Amino acid sequence: AQTVTQSQPEMSVQEAETVTLSCTYDTSESDYYLFWYKQPPSRQMILVIRQEAYKQQNATENRFSVNFQKAAKSFSLKISDSQLGDAAMYFCAYRSANDKIIFGKGTRLHILP
Amino acid sequence: GAVVSQHPSWVICKSGTSVKIECRSLDFQATTMFWYRQFPKQSLMLMATSNEGSKATYEQGVEKDKFLINHASLTLSTLTVTSAHPEDSSFYICSAIGPAGQGAIDNSPLHFGNGTRLTVT
Repeated sequence: AQTVTQSQPEMSVQEAETVTLSCTYDTSESDYYLFWYKQPPSRQMILVIRQEAYKQQNATENRFSVNFQKAAKSFSLKISDSQLGDAAMYFCAYRSANDKIIFGKGTRLHILP
Repeated sequence: GAVVSQHPSWVICKSGTSVKIECRSLDFQATTMFWYRQFPKQSLMLMATSNEGSKATYEQGVEKDKFLINHASLTLSTLTVTSAHPEDSSFYICSAIGPAGQGAIDNSPLHFGNGTRLTVT
């Protein structure tokens, strides 16, 4: 079975600085998708970025980028120029061939003004 | 963009009663919907996968007689918590697969409802 591990329960970063959230996963599948979701206090799940496993190029969305290392099964999220609105719970997620999404335990990100 | 509507956003019920939560895809046909449960400060735990017109597939440890799931149409899935007890109090959130692409995996992300906070007194 697939697993997703986020080893950082909480992190803090100074406003305008850069922070990296780590995520590793375990799978025997070769074709899958990886996601980072943001969950603010409203508890709405917001898609931040996604990565197709067959693509070698790292996905980028404005201030958000990933470092996808397929062989190492690592999928970290980098947030540049952190803003107060980035404060939230961040979940790394794996989507398998049967469309199930499996979430990591999350990392709570605090932005220090 | 694809929108998933979940209703109600919060509900309080008495122990022993049943509560129904609706999940609707507003502008796309959702062949598959997923139901998650989230305890405070924890991650989303998949409860079941719901396919239109067929029985839901429940994850290990989830009581199918307790959490009834119906996916009667391509735009609606419902979760009914039967004979609710205080330990069923939680945040329930649904998600739906967008338009299918080619092959086993397409590039559409899951779309999430805004969740339902259930409190059983």
